[in-house]
Amino acid sequence: EIVLTQSPGTLSLSPGETATLSCRASESVRSTFLAWYQQKPGQTPRLLIYGISTRAAGVPDRFSASGSGTDFTLTISRLEPEDFAVYFCQQFRSSWTFGQGTKVELK
Amino acid sequence: QVYLQESGPGLVKPSETLSLTCTVSGASINFDTFYWGWIRQPPGKGLEWLGSVSSGANPYHNPSLKSRVTISMDTSKNQFSLKLNSVTAADTAVYYCARHASWFNPWGQGILVTVSS
Repeated sequence: EIVLTQSPGTLSLSPGETATLSCRASESVRSTFLAWYQQKPGQTPRLLIYGISTRAAGVPDRFSASGSGTDFTLTISRLEPEDFAVYFCQQFRSSWTFGQGTKVELK
Repeated sequence: QVYLQESGPGLVKPSETLSLTCTVSGASINFDTFYWGWIRQPPGKGLEWLGSVSSGANPYHNPSLKSRVTISMDTSKNQFSLKLNSVTAADTAVYYCARHASWFNPWGQGILVTVSS
C-alpha cells in the first residue's frame, strides 16, 4: 500500500498569503492518479484538483497543483477566508489511499 | 447530476455488523463505468478508503481491514452496500459513499456511525 505523508500538519497564514502544501508518497505515483480535496468542518470532502493539475468544476484558479514521482504540491495563492480548511491528497495505483491532511488555519 | 445518499443505523453494538446502504440517483450503477466506493473518517481524523464495487468486476477492499468488509451492489434499486463485521469502538466514524475512478467525486453527505453498547 502506498503511504502518503502530508506536511506540514498545520499551516498558519493570513488572508492574501500563499499556502504551499506538500504530499510525499512512499512509492512513485503517476501524476494523473493524484488528487487533492478540501474539507471544511462538518462538511463532505470536496474534490479540488485531479490528474496533473486539473481543477474540478467551480474551483478558482488560485488553486494549483504540481509534482511528479513521489513529491506533490498544492499551492493556494492569495488566500481567501473561505480557503481555511483541511486539505487531503489521495492517490490511486493498486488501491486508493489518502494523506493524513494539512490544516490551513487563520493566523 | 449524480447524487449519493448513505442510510443505515447510527448506532451499532460492539462485535456486531455495521450495515450501510448508498442510494444513487442521476446515474445507473449497472451501466456506469465508474467504481462505487466507501470511505470513512473517524472523528477528528483522516480519510480511509474501505472498498469499492463496479459493475462486471469483483469488489475491491482495503487489505488492512482483511475479511471484515463486504461490498455489494443491488442494481434493481440502484444501490450499493457496505457490511463491516466484528466492529469495535475504533470503527466509530463518518462513513461516506462516493463514485470514483482514480479520484472520488461526487460524495454522499456522510453518516455518523457510533459503535457503543
